Parts: sequence; C-alpha cells; structure tokens
Amino acid sequence: DVKVTQSSRYLVKRTGEKVFLECVQDMDHENMFWYRQDPGLGLRLIYFSYDVKMKEKGDIPEGYSVSREKKERFSLILESASTNQTSMYLCASSLAGTSGNYEQYFGPGTRLTVT
Amino acid sequence: SQKIEQNSEALNIQEGKTATLTCNYTNYSPAYLQWYRQDPGRGPVFLLLIRENEKEKRKERLKVTFDTTLKQSLFHITASQPADSATYLCALDDSYGNKLVFGAGTILRVKS
Repeated sequence: DVKVTQSSRYLVKRTGEKVFLECVQDMDHENMFWYRQDPGLGLRLIYFSYDVKMKEKGDIPEGYSVSREKKERFSLILESASTNQTSMYLCASSLAGTSGNYEQYFGPGTRLTVT
Repeated sequence: SQKIEQNSEALNIQEGKTATLTCNYTNYSPAYLQWYRQDPGRGPVFLLLIRENEKEKRKERLKVTFDTTLKQSLFHITASQPADSATYLCALDDSYGNKLVFGAGTILRVKS
C-alpha cells in the first residue's frame, strides 16, 4: 500500500525558531512536493523536487527552504518561524513526468502553530 | 490573472440525489484536470483524472466532464451517501506542465 508519512501531526513552535518538517515516501517516486493549506486559499505550492538534490520554487517559497538528500525523503525548513507561517503543511509525491498526468499521493499533514 | 474557482459555499444535498460540483478556470490551458477528496484533518486523496481530449470519465458512482471551450469541469456523485460528505478539490496542470494548481475546494454535505 502506497504511503507518504510526515514526521508530526501537530507542532507548536515559537517565533524565530528553526523548524524542520520531514516527509518520507515508500513508492520510489521521483517527484515530491510541499504545500501549505489555509482556509479559503486552497493548497499552495511552496517547493517541489523532481530528483535527489534538485529543487524548484513553487508559488510561495519565501521564508522556506527544502532539502532532498535521498529519493524517499523531502524536508521543509522554516529558517525563522513567524506567526504567518501557522498553517497545515502537506507533503505529496508522484511519478516523474508531466505533473498533471500523474496523481499525487499526500501525507496526513502537519498542523503547525507558531506563537 | 489566472484563477481556479470552485463553489465557495457548501453544497447540501439529500441522500440518494446526485451531487454536482463545478470547477471553472481562467487563463490556464490545462492538458489534464484532476479531482481529489479531502476529509477534515487529512491529506487529499486522488479520485479521477481527465485529459483534455476526453469529454467524460466515470468511476463507479463518480463522473467527471471536461469542457475546454467553457473552461469548466463538472464532478458528479450519483446516489450520494452521507459517507460522501467531504471537501472536493479540483486541480489542473499549469501551462508548463511542472506542477498542479489546486482550487480552494467545495464542501459537500449529504444528509440522510
């Protein structure tokens, strides 16, 4: 059974802290994605990666960075957390190729609160 | 500007009826359109994919249409059940084919 796991379901951090969100997939997928989801705004793409050590900015990369050292693992880093980064963070993976032609498999999400 | 619009208000229907959800888009030329289901506190789950050269796709009680002239997709659930209550998201590929762009979703509530 296909699986995408995220390191935490709920996380509370203080302003200015460095935050790491981890995502692991077991499907040998080339593509991995990080989204944030806010009420009324839908899913917005932060970063994606189509290969190990490769990354591309999404629509809202400011304040975030990513790391992909191994094919199965994609990390999202908040260098200095701010309250406007309070959100639900979702990781996804898919096969390589034109993005729309392949379904994305999502993790359960991490609800991050920055106080 | 580019936009994807789904019904912002929740759709409330009676069990057994057909639910129809709408996804309209502006200034995109997608080759693919996908629909996902999302339950509260969980990640989206893929339901159906339809290509630009396909007018209609079915899977069990689900049916999706894709009209590139109207720039619209319709998502139908026939014989709806309370278990179908969820948020439904449409997504399409951006012009460069690199990523999916998601709508904000429509909440469906099926009452018994």
